[in-house]
Amino acid sequence: GEQVEQLPSILRVQEGSSASINCTYENSASNYFPWYKQEPGENPKLIIDIRSNMERKQTQGLIVLLDKKAKRFSLHITDTQPGDSAMYFCAASKRGSALGRLHFGAGTQLIVIP
Amino acid sequence: EAAVTQSPRNKVTVTGGNVTLSCRQTNSHNYMYWYRQDTGHGLRLIHYSYGAGNLQIGDVPDGYKATRTTQEDFFLLLELASPSQTSLYFCASRAGDEQYFGPGTRLTVL
Repeated sequence: GEQVEQLPSILRVQEGSSASINCTYENSASNYFPWYKQEPGENPKLIIDIRSNMERKQTQGLIVLLDKKAKRFSLHITDTQPGDSAMYFCAASKRGSALGRLHFGAGTQLIVIP
Repeated sequence: EAAVTQSPRNKVTVTGGNVTLSCRQTNSHNYMYWYRQDTGHGLRLIHYSYGAGNLQIGDVPDGYKATRTTQEDFFLLLELASPSQTSLYFCASRAGDEQYFGPGTRLTVL
């Protein structure tokens, strides 16, 4: 199986600053690491992902880092805005496995203070 | 964008009640999933399927049955609902690596 630990559970940041969320995983065979954002009252939506052949990926103010040796990956949100306030989930899976199931972390509630 | 619908959106039942949650996706995705979301636990996988007639057990299956009747339809059944099953339930389907979630069903068991 796989266990994904996610910290912190709650993160408060000032608008314009950066926010970082960290996840660790156990199964060295995991090779796909997506991040989902869930706004209040909404369903989770994929915002960025990284595969094990990369160490860094960036898109629209989001940066994901992957350290395979440490079995750790992280999401960094630069220049946070009130619209970034949401629940964020990391996940891990093994691409190409029969059913591609995701193992989710417990989530981080990000609160951006204006 | 992939469309996943769920019904009902809200449901209240009593302990011992019989509940069926429905999920439909219209994108011919093979893979479908049922999760429950609870504070402090994130999204936990209950059951999943890779096609009509197929069923796989997830991480928290106790008290739940599921059935995939067609490519489009995946049902979650609670035959003897308990208060511990009060939760927000999400269905998802998968295309490639991305999972597309439905809007969720909030279930309350009194």
